[in-house]
Formats: sequence, structure tokens, C-alpha cells
Amino acid sequence: DAGVIQSPRHEVTEMGQEVTLRCKPISGHNSLFWYRQTMMRGLELLIYFNNNVPIDDSGMPEDRFSAKMPNASFSTLKIQPSEPRDSAVYFCASSLGGGTGTQYFGPGTRLTVL
Amino acid sequence: DQQVKQNSPSLSVQEGRISILNCDYTNSMFDYFLWYKKYPAEGPTFLISISSIKDKNEDGRFTVFLNKSAKHLSLHIVPSQPGDSAVYFCAASDGMSGGGADGLTFGKGTHLIIQP
Repeated sequence: DAGVIQSPRHEVTEMGQEVTLRCKPISGHNSLFWYRQTMMRGLELLIYFNNNVPIDDSGMPEDRFSAKMPNASFSTLKIQPSEPRDSAVYFCASSLGGGTGTQYFGPGTRLTVL
Repeated sequence: DQQVKQNSPSLSVQEGRISILNCDYTNSMFDYFLWYKKYPAEGPTFLISISSIKDKNEDGRFTVFLNKSAKHLSLHIVPSQPGDSAVYFCAASDGMSGGGADGLTFGKGTHLIIQP
């Protein structure tokens, strides 16, 4: 079975540009999470969805960040405009939700904003 | 302020010996704890978990211990193998779902190096 799929794997962009990161969760999973990993802050939760509905976006750093989940098999994280401090590895994870469902992580998108 | 702390950025252990990774937390609402393992250029993968109603959970070479009064948990790997070399993240959840439908709070990780 395919795991969580993220695209692109690497993204290099210039400051001020719009960046869109994409995630396809594992089929049948109904919870989806976006995390960001930086040297300074480690791995931090940005936002998560249950059944396509955003539940907690308190981790989203600024209004420049937005996330959507239009259906059960696709989510996007958008940064507009991007800034150099947004450079990080962004992970998407999914789970069955409820109980002790394990979160399965994608390989991540390494974003570099010049 | 960090709610989940892993105070050792790195740990070196000889192959065959026991590896002990430590984690402290400050949020008393956390009720479910997990360990994830991460190799370079890959996403974290789930290793083992423990509910706050237990003090120990074992899975093969991996055992997690939880001391709620001290707000401390540890991961024991025995015997340590070269393939165990990776970054280990401690994570916690304060939701009712045990980490499935709630976001996780992660520590910064400990880089475990198994020496031959």
C-alpha cells in the first residue's frame, strides 16, 4: 500500500513567491496533520483536520499560511508570500483517527526560500 | 516554552549494549505518549507508545517506561543494533483519541549513534 504522498519533495523559491505543498493521505484515513521541522523549533504541529474539517490551526505561524482539505484524499498547505524564515521541512501525516491510531508521516517537502 | 523536552541531543552506544533515551514533559494534561524514529530524508515512523494508565509497554527490543509523578518517560532499546542509529522523537497527546485524531507535541529529538 502507498504511504502518505507529498509533493514536491524539494522546493526552492524566492522571497515573495507563493508556495503550495501537497499531500495525499493514506486511503481510508480520516485525520490529516501538517507539521514543520526546523533546527530551532524542532517538529511542530501547524494544523490538523478530522474528516476534512480543520480542527486546530493554532500552530499556523501567520496569516501567510493557509491549509485546505477539499476532499478525503488531498490537502494543500500554501504560503503566500513566502519568506526566508519559512525555510524548513514540512511533513504531512495521516491516521485512522480515534482510539490509539498511529500517525503515519510522509517523506516531507524541503522548502528553501531565498 | 517546550512542553516536551529531550535534553540529550545525541547519544552514542556500543552495539549490543542498552540504549536509554529520556524525555520529560511539563503538561499534566498529556495522556498518551509515543516514540518515533527518523532516518535522514525520511518522515518519522512510529515505534512504540504508552497510555498514561500504564507504566510500561514492551515491543520486542523496545520498552517504554512512564513515570507520571516525575513527568518522565524513557525508551530502552536492548540489545542495540547498527540499524537503530537514527533520530528518536518523543511525542505526547492531550486529546481523548490517544494521538490518532489529535495533533502531537514533539520533543526536539535525540540522535542515537550505535558504535560497532
